[in-house]
Amino acid sequence: AQSVTQLDSHVSVSEGTPVLLRCNYSSSYSPSLFWYVQHPNKGLQLLLKYTSAATLVKGINGFEAEFKKSETSFHLTKPSAHMSDAAEYFCVVSAQNYGGSQGNLIFGKGTKLSVKP
Amino acid sequence: DGGITQSPKYLFRKEGQNVTLSCEQNLNHDAMYWYRQDPGQGLRLIYYSQIVNDFQKGDIAEGYSVSREKKESFPLTVTSAQKNPTAFYLCASSNAGQLPNEQFFGPGTRLTVL
Repeated sequence: AQSVTQLDSHVSVSEGTPVLLRCNYSSSYSPSLFWYVQHPNKGLQLLLKYTSAATLVKGINGFEAEFKKSETSFHLTKPSAHMSDAAEYFCVVSAQNYGGSQGNLIFGKGTKLSVKP
Repeated sequence: DGGITQSPKYLFRKEGQNVTLSCEQNLNHDAMYWYRQDPGQGLRLIYYSQIVNDFQKGDIAEGYSVSREKKESFPLTVTSAQKNPTAFYLCASSNAGQLPNEQFFGPGTRLTVL
């Protein structure tokens, strides 16, 4: 079965400094992985997705993530944080061969990013 | 302008009442989903539907019901049997059978039981 663990529930950075949000996954199959962002009281927006092509995936708003199979990790990074990056971030794995729910998404519990001026 | 709409944005309910949350999409997606979000718990799947007139229970279906009579619509009813319904509810859609299953989300409905 697939699962995903976000290692930090809260991360706080200063504006202009790098962002690192950590995610480990567990999957019996080659996974599809996503990062979504959610601003307060809003829906989720896709930041980026890994689909077994390039291991370094670039997303919107300067974010990128690297798929490391040996470490079963898919950490999200950004070189320089902006105040508008303050939000909650979800690491997500796509269930595969999961009975009738093939393709359903399994969400991590989220990491809340705070950006200090 | 393609997307997913949810209404209402805020909903208040008295204990013992059923309420229905609306979800409409014009993305021509086959699959639709309902999630519940509670602080610190991520998103949990309530129900999903991969085709019209068919739907499946997710991980926390008790106390909820759905219908899928039209491709673009997937309403969720929160019944009086749901013991703790206060939460943020998110609807999503995707192209069924296409992997990876990127899902597109609506803006959400915040339900509060008074």
